[in-house]
Amino acid sequence: EAQVTQNPRYLITVTGKKLTVTCSQNMNHEYMSWYRQDPGLGLRQIYYSMNVEVTDKGDVPEGYKVSRKEKRNFPLILESPSPNQTSLYFCASSFDRGASPLHFGNGTRLTVT
Amino acid sequence: AQKVTQAQTEISVVEKEDVTLDCVYETRDTTYYLFWYKQPPSGELVFLIRRNSFDEQNEISGRYSWNFQKSTSSFNFTITASQVVDSAVYFCALSEAEGGSEKLVFGKGTKLTVNP
Repeated sequence: EAQVTQNPRYLITVTGKKLTVTCSQNMNHEYMSWYRQDPGLGLRQIYYSMNVEVTDKGDVPEGYKVSRKEKRNFPLILESPSPNQTSLYFCASSFDRGASPLHFGNGTRLTVT
Repeated sequence: AQKVTQAQTEISVVEKEDVTLDCVYETRDTTYYLFWYKQPPSGELVFLIRRNSFDEQNEISGRYSWNFQKSTSSFNFTITASQVVDSAVYFCALSEAEGGSEKLVFGKGTKLTVNP
């Protein structure tokens, strides 16, 4: 089954404790991206990747890191999480950037206390 | 800069009513793509439809229909005979295809509640 798999689904952590949210897709998509969803703000892009070893900032990249060492994986790293990063995070992939629809993971609800 | 406006923050209807979700976009490109996504209460985001800027034909899929009008920069979504299962947040999105940016921008979403 074609899918984007994110883990974990729920995560509660404390300020400053490094964490990684994993994302993997099995559709051989070149384009992958991370979004955060906040009430009243909709979906905002954090980082995206056009291909292996090619990543770039989205609209709200501060406080986040990503890597794309393999085509299928695109982890989101929070080196020193802060409470304002409490949010619902989505990983997405698509055949290309722009024209093709995004396939989303099921989301990760992160709470930073 | 590209922009998507979903002016309706929340809509509440009774089952079997028709409902239209509005989406107005701004872009300077002549080539672009418009999307609708659905986010049910379970939280996942589901792709519904894509339209490119050169195809103004309206589309119907069962109870769902989409009205794309370039003259008014709108891409509205109508649900006919709504059902409780249609309750969700619906997002409209725009992707420009020129200039190398191809950035996807989402509207803030419209929360639809269909009451029995």
